Amino acid sequence: DAKTTQPNSMESNEEEPVHLPCNHSTISGTDYIHWYRQLPSQGPEYVIHGLTSNVNNRMASLAIAEDRKSSTLILHRATLRDAAVYYCILTSGNTGKLIFGQGTTLQVKP
Amino acid sequence: NAGVTQTPKFQVLKTGQSMTLQCAQDMNHEYMSWYRQDPGMGLRLIHYSVGAGITDQGEVPNGYNVSRSTTEDFPLRLLSAAPSQTSVYFCASRLTSGSYNEQFFGPGTRLTVL
Repeated sequence: DAKTTQPNSMESNEEEPVHLPCNHSTISGTDYIHWYRQLPSQGPEYVIHGLTSNVNNRMASLAIAEDRKSSTLILHRATLRDAAVYYCILTSGNTGKLIFGQGTTLQVKP
Repeated sequence: NAGVTQTPKFQVLKTGQSMTLQCAQDMNHEYMSWYRQDPGMGLRLIHYSVGAGITDQGEVPNGYNVSRSTTEDFPLRLLSAAPSQTSVYFCASRLTSGSYNEQFFGPGTRLTVL
């Protein structure tokens, strides 16, 4: 399974944009890039995913580098509720296993 | 839809006891999986199933058994609990095993083994 590398922690101010980076230099052509987040004492929740093109949804945007070796999750206006651990995960193949790494702990300051 | 449900929410076992963690989903999802999360760590995949009657091992399968007799249910069995199995267990499901599908997680079962 291809690996991802994320910073352990990041800080943001409320109502400012947040850019969460993820490196995945060994990504293969069929790997999808998924982002999940886990709020304190809850199960993970889906945020966004993409293959090659940038993606937008109501929660966030996903910017994928042209060579696909890195991606960035963008929260356009961070709120206190966005404080969570954010996981960048690659999935591929018929099993589609989601293998979690350590993730990035995002702290949002009022 | 209730989504992914897990029972019990909390459980305390003594070393050597057995128990089954229940997981059910009402979304007609083919793919289901079990994870454990130790304090301060990410989730680790225990077992997964791509459909009824089909199961396979994940990263940390030792000490756990699963079966998938129906689409809806995917129980996780601890045959002889050990303190090292103290953890929070999450069940998850998604429509198919396809890599493009969103995965839904249950609220978790917090297990303590004394």
